[in-house]
Amino acid sequence: EPEVTQTPSHQVTQMGQEVILRCVPISNHLYFYWYRQILGQKVEFLVSFYNNEISEKSEIFDDQFSVERPDGSNFTLKIRSTKLEDSAMYFCASSAQGGNEQYFGPGTRLTVT
Amino acid sequence: QKEVEQNSGPLSVPEGAIASLNCTYSDRGSQSFFWYRQYSGKSPELIMFIYSNGDKEDGRFTAQLNKASQYVSLLIRDSQPSDSATYLCAVNWEGFKTIFGAGTRLFVKA
Repeated sequence: EPEVTQTPSHQVTQMGQEVILRCVPISNHLYFYWYRQILGQKVEFLVSFYNNEISEKSEIFDDQFSVERPDGSNFTLKIRSTKLEDSAMYFCASSAQGGNEQYFGPGTRLTVT
Repeated sequence: QKEVEQNSGPLSVPEGAIASLNCTYSDRGSQSFFWYRQYSGKSPELIMFIYSNGDKEDGRFTAQLNKASQYVSLLIRDSQPSDSATYLCAVNWEGFKTIFGAGTRLFVKA
């Protein structure tokens, strides 16, 4: 069964450093998403991406964040100059159509020290 | 501000019973509704989706949607200890943005 994959599973970085989180969505899906979940809190929408551009972003997704689809399979989230409060699980998801059911990857646990 | 509300629980039911989980949402323009299950330390796993008013059944799970009341629910029949998890209600607007509730913790006692 097709699934969303994410790498790395755990990333530790120092405050102020840049990190890139990688995702491979399900191959025939066209819509891609990033979410984050701070420990003990709700899943928060960050951004949706379709047709090589951002469709929607939340207020969390400020200038320190960017997304890219560098090739036909990968979807990345870049966080520039990480802060302590960026420590969270980051989930990638994909769907065949906008508004349809989204399938989540296993997540990347980001720890900023 | 679009919001999705769930009772945080915990909801405790005996094995074999029906678990009933509820969710309300703030925006009448909402179009798609989802239930995810999340085990501790894991990612959300899709278990049900519903797009139109009424009931939708899949195995032991039934999702119910009432757009007039802005209410969506999930029933789990014949609850098993393995169903113990946090259940997340998610609501989609305009195809691109999905808002999650904080989740309801369910405990199924053997």
